[in-house]
Amino acid sequence: EVQLVESGGGLVQPGGSLRLSCAASGFPFSAYWMTWVRQAPGKGLQWVANIKQDGGEKYYVDSVRGRFTISRDNAANSLYLQMKSLRAEDTAVYYCARYRAIDYWGQGTLVTVSS
Amino acid sequence: SYELTQPPSVSVSPGQTARITCSGDALPKKYTYWYQQKSGQAPVLVIYEDNMRPSGIPARFSGSRSGTMATLTISGAQVEDEGDYYCYSTDGSGNHWVFGGGTKLTVL
Repeated sequence: EVQLVESGGGLVQPGGSLRLSCAASGFPFSAYWMTWVRQAPGKGLQWVANIKQDGGEKYYVDSVRGRFTISRDNAANSLYLQMKSLRAEDTAVYYCARYRAIDYWGQGTLVTVSS
Repeated sequence: SYELTQPPSVSVSPGQTARITCSGDALPKKYTYWYQQKSGQAPVLVIYEDNMRPSGIPARFSGSRSGTMATLTISGAQVEDEGDYYCYSTDGSGNHWVFGGGTKLTVL
């Protein structure tokens, strides 16, 4: 059974940093692109970033490029999202998802950016 | 930046057919994916590669595409199908992905 479990969310002040993690199991993690998606409260889904199997290609939505960094550790079956210079508009539930054409989702972790 | 356009809401009576559209310039060349999201839950894939249905998704869910428009059809919609539906695809480069704005389906 495919499982994706996010962690690391919480309350952070504007300008602060946070690192999200996603623990993957039930499939060969190193064989798949992985994706982060977010959803602001009461809003729609927004693709944030994805990363190739070996980490050699990474792509970001314009609004986070230069502030967020996606990475992975295939030995640990883990996906990460390092977030810096956080803004109020980054407040959202962040989902870890398998593949570029997403077929499985985690349950999400809430990030709140507020003073 | 690339955009996918969906109607904000669709409403049908139980047993009727619900159709949710998604338009985007790159759709003739790129697959469309559809997700159902119920309140407080993570999204679930209901259609992939324009018209393929994952295992476990009821046969009343189907997808199609014509030119720059993709359509999710729910034949004989049921009350439990209520929720938000999102289309998803990539731009012409294949590197940047985008969701439609979402469509709230009401079945009552």
